[in-house]
Amino acid sequence: SQTIHQWPATLVQPVGSPLSLECTVEGTSNPNLYWYRQAAGRGLQLLFYSVGIGQISSEVPQNLSASRPQDRQFILSSKKLLLSDSGFYLCAWRPSRNQPQHFGDGTRLSIL
Amino acid sequence: GQQLNQSPQSMFIQEGEDVSMNCTSSSIFNTWLWYKQDPGEGPVLLIALYKAGELTSNGRLTAQFGITRKDSFLNISASIPSDVGIYFCAGNAGGTSYGKLTFGQGTILTVHP
Repeated sequence: SQTIHQWPATLVQPVGSPLSLECTVEGTSNPNLYWYRQAAGRGLQLLFYSVGIGQISSEVPQNLSASRPQDRQFILSSKKLLLSDSGFYLCAWRPSRNQPQHFGDGTRLSIL
Repeated sequence: GQQLNQSPQSMFIQEGEDVSMNCTSSSIFNTWLWYKQDPGEGPVLLIALYKAGELTSNGRLTAQFGITRKDSFLNISASIPSDVGIYFCAGNAGGTSYGKLTFGQGTILTVHP
């Protein structure tokens, strides 16, 4: 069966520290992958999406970057975290065209 | 850019009551999706709609894809306590959008036993 994993589940980081959040999908190949941020439990904002290895599209200017080093691995990174980077980060995937997106369980990021 | 207006923002109902929420868009969508999110978890897909006018049910949930392709609604019949959560609509414009979704701001549902 197809599953999506995100880790860590929670993370507390100081301002100015680096960030790496990982998302992996199992049981499928060549999925479309997405990173979202959710602030205050309302509304999901698309940050990045990827249609293949090494292919990253950014939706909003920000302090974050994404990479897709392998077919089923999607990484969200930052070199220096800002207070405004706090939030709930969700990874999602869809297997093919005309299929809906499915979400991981998210990472709660708190910046101190 | 595309925007989705979801209403109501919150609902407080008694167990057993029916619930209705809707989303309207400033532009046309080819796909409408409805998700439910429990606290601290990712959204879970409830219903997917792919054709204008389509009416689809999933247990006590029913959703419709509006004829104009700019709106969708979700109904929950005979609500139960486990229906509590945040419900999101999401739309996809199709074409070369690579499955990107635009989300509504969510409807927070509280069910009193």
